[in-house]
Amino acid sequence: QQPVQSPQAVILREGEDAVINCSSSKALYSVHWYRQKHGEAPVFLMILLKGGEQKGHEKISASFNEKKQQSSLYLTASQLSYSGTYFCGTVIQGAQKLVFGQGTRLTINP
Amino acid sequence: DSGVTQTPKHLITATGQRVTLRCSPRSGDLSVYWYQQSLDQGLQFLIQYYNGEERAKGNILERFSAQQFPDLHSELNLSSLELGDSALYFCASSAQNHNEQFFGPGTRLTVL
Repeated sequence: QQPVQSPQAVILREGEDAVINCSSSKALYSVHWYRQKHGEAPVFLMILLKGGEQKGHEKISASFNEKKQQSSLYLTASQLSYSGTYFCGTVIQGAQKLVFGQGTRLTINP
Repeated sequence: DSGVTQTPKHLITATGQRVTLRCSPRSGDLSVYWYQQSLDQGLQFLIQYYNGEERAKGNILERFSAQQFPDLHSELNLSSLELGDSALYFCASSAQNHNEQFFGPGTRLTVL
């Protein structure tokens, strides 16, 4: 039931783009994205509901492909502040709980 | 500051002991969630309460229990502690089910 995130880790230079993927084997009701910096609590980025909508948050946006049960998080022109571990969380249709993936560690170098 | 408070910040105890972690949600939030995060691991969902009622259960051990009180604060009780229970325990709250969750700073539990 746990969603699968890829890649597990990525290292970028400042200004480069990144894509983080999240996939589920079950039909999804919603996908949630959070970022956690080292030693801190996770911080909410966005929620996507089924319907294929795309959302944006500054230079961070995400899409939800309902047919493939996949979501992708896009980080454009990455900044040093984007470093951290990104978690996707999924709610399966008919279920109550939000289950997080294992996370993707993003490192942005100057 | 998310508005969610957790106490204590750090807790060091011995195997076999029992501890209680406390969480106060953001003002107005009815849902409280508990997560366990071991070193460099993901967020393992433990349990959710909504307005005093248990709403969803995750991989919570039988040695662990939780409750949400009428004032909406929540407590997570961990008993017969084992070395493997050492982890960061987060509480989060949201206004409704499946909404944006606001995480507290966490309680770091060390079992020696």
